[in-house]
Amino acid sequence: AQSVTQLGSHVSVSEGALVLLRCNYSSSVPPYLFWYVQYPNQGLQLLLKYTSAATLVKGINGFEAEFKKSETSFHLTKPSAHMSDAAEYFCAVSDQGNNDMRFGAGTRLTVKP
Amino acid sequence: EPEVTQTPSHQVTQMGQEVILRCVPISNHLYFYWYRQILGQKVEFLVSFYNNEISEKSEIFDDQFSVERPDGSNFTLKIRSTKLEDSAMYFCASRFGQNLPYEQYFGPGTRLTVT
Repeated sequence: AQSVTQLGSHVSVSEGALVLLRCNYSSSVPPYLFWYVQYPNQGLQLLLKYTSAATLVKGINGFEAEFKKSETSFHLTKPSAHMSDAAEYFCAVSDQGNNDMRFGAGTRLTVKP
Repeated sequence: EPEVTQTPSHQVTQMGQEVILRCVPISNHLYFYWYRQILGQKVEFLVSFYNNEISEKSEIFDDQFSVERPDGSNFTLKIRSTKLEDSAMYFCASRFGQNLPYEQYFGPGTRLTVT
């Protein structure tokens, strides 16, 4: 069964600092991996996805993530945090059949001025 | 840009009552999903639906839950006899098909409060 683990339920950074949100996956087949963002009282918005085309994936709002098979990781990064990045971030995995998507517990990102 | 819509945005119901949560997926999508998120917790898969039948369901999706695509555009989640622990945000999602891209498009959610 597939699963993802997000390390750190809460990450706090200063505005302009590097953002690093960690995600490790477990999957018996090559996975498809996703990062979604949830702003307060809103639904889930796709940030970026890995579908085996390229290991470094660029998404919206300056975020990117790198798929590392040897480390079973798909960490999300952004070079310089902005106040508007404050939100909940969810890593998710699905297999190639993609009948469901399994989410991590989420990481709440706080950006300090 | 096409989007998934859900109604109502907030539903309050008494324990034991039936509720129907409604979703309109993106029009050319073929796979439909329901997820729930209990306040402060992670998003949990409930059920997937394809070709007018359930293709997969989680252990959460017990006999009190059912899904239906009654008219080719709506996709509904029915909870027959609500419990306090059903209080959560319910998200509908859809995706196009077997080919890339695989991402699911999520609606804004329905907040269900059971009193």
